[in-house]
Amino acid sequence: QLQLQESGPGLVEPSETLSLTCSVSGGSVSSGDYYWSWIRQPPGKGLEWIGYIFYSGITQYNPSLKSRVTISLDASKNQFSLRLSSVTAADTAVYYCAREPICSGAECYYYFDYWGQGALVTVSS
Amino acid sequence: QSALTQPRSVSGSPGQSVTISCTGITTDVGGYKYVSWYQQHPGKAPKVMIYDVNRRRSGVPDRFSGSKSGNTASLTISGLQAEDEADYYCCSSVGSYTHFGGGTKLTVL
Repeated sequence: QLQLQESGPGLVEPSETLSLTCSVSGGSVSSGDYYWSWIRQPPGKGLEWIGYIFYSGITQYNPSLKSRVTISLDASKNQFSLRLSSVTAADTAVYYCAREPICSGAECYYYFDYWGQGALVTVSS
Repeated sequence: QSALTQPRSVSGSPGQSVTISCTGITTDVGGYKYVSWYQQHPGKAPKVMIYDVNRRRSGVPDRFSGSKSGNTASLTISGLQAEDEADYYCCSSVGSYTHFGGGTKLTVL
């Protein structure tokens, strides 16, 4: 059974960089069948896609966050990470990591089948 | 790109059916089969219920069904049960970009 677990500081000061890591067990981030994604949810609000990374290192980001986001992957640790720079209070949210199946043979999917439990990050001085 | 449009809330009595709509545009919901639906209980991570417009995730009751017409996707829950009370989000993925609806709170009366 695949499990994802977010970790990182729960409090970040304004203008600093938010850093989170997602540790994967029961599966491999080196698989070519999945995207490894980050999604966030401000308190009391809806879900926002941040971006994904593929095992090859290819990334895609939400255009609204693209200038501040970096997603990276460490296959040796079976982890992937999120960095969000120049944070403000508007970046306060629960941050989820998730797996997204893509294509298997001739069939493609694109949905989030496994999620981490989420990590609350508060931006405040 | 704008979020997909969902009603803020819907409600129904136990045993009834409810439908949640999700309206996008031709370059997301209307143009692709990659529409998924997520159920989120308070304090929990979202859980996929439907993917590829109308395919149920393994283990999801067949009371949950999905459909699409034009630029609008729908999630129908029949035979409402108390445990169905949750927030529901639609999602459109086109490979290079993903966006979610604003979410719908389902209340079981």
